[in-house]
Amino acid sequence: DAKTTQPNSMESNEEEPVHLPCNHSTISGTDYIHWYRQLPSQGPEYVIHGLTSNVNNRMASLAIAEDRKSSTLILHRATLRDAAVYYCILSVTTGANSKLTFGKGITLSVRP
Amino acid sequence: NAGVTQTPKFRILKIGQSMTLQCTQDMNHNYMYWYRQDPGMGLKLIYYSVGAGITDKGEVPNGYNVSRSTTEDFPLRLELAAPSQTSVYFCASLNRVGYTFGSGTRLTVV
Repeated sequence: DAKTTQPNSMESNEEEPVHLPCNHSTISGTDYIHWYRQLPSQGPEYVIHGLTSNVNNRMASLAIAEDRKSSTLILHRATLRDAAVYYCILSVTTGANSKLTFGKGITLSVRP
Repeated sequence: NAGVTQTPKFRILKIGQSMTLQCTQDMNHNYMYWYRQDPGMGLKLIYYSVGAGITDKGEVPNGYNVSRSTTEDFPLRLELAAPSQTSVYFCASLNRVGYTFGSGTRLTVV
């Protein structure tokens, strides 16, 4: 499975935008870029995913580099509730190879 | 619509005991997964299933067994509990968009 590299941690201020980076230099053409987050004492929660084009949903935006070797999860206005571990994961989304491989993720702290 | 439901939420086992962690989903998803998460670490895949009657090993299957007799249920069995199996266990199912995880079972083996 292709690997991703994320910083260990990041701090942000409440109501400011947050850019969480992810490197995936060995990504293959069929790999989707997934982001999940895990709030304290909860299971992971789907945030967003994309293949080549930038993606937006109600939770966040995903900016994907043109060569697909890196991506950035953008939280437009951080809230205290966004403090969590964010995982950047590569995976195909269908077929028997649909498995997520979790790294340690990036721990986001949000200051009031 | 309950999503993915795991029971129990907490359990303490003695070394050598056995137990079954229950997982059920009401979304009619074919793909289901069991992960474990050790403190401060990411999740590791134990077993997964692509449909009723079909299961396969993940990254860390030793000491566990699974079955998938129905689309809804995907129980995880620990036959001889060991301290190394102390962890939080998450069940998940996959739809076209992404994965839905249960709230987890925190297991301690003493």
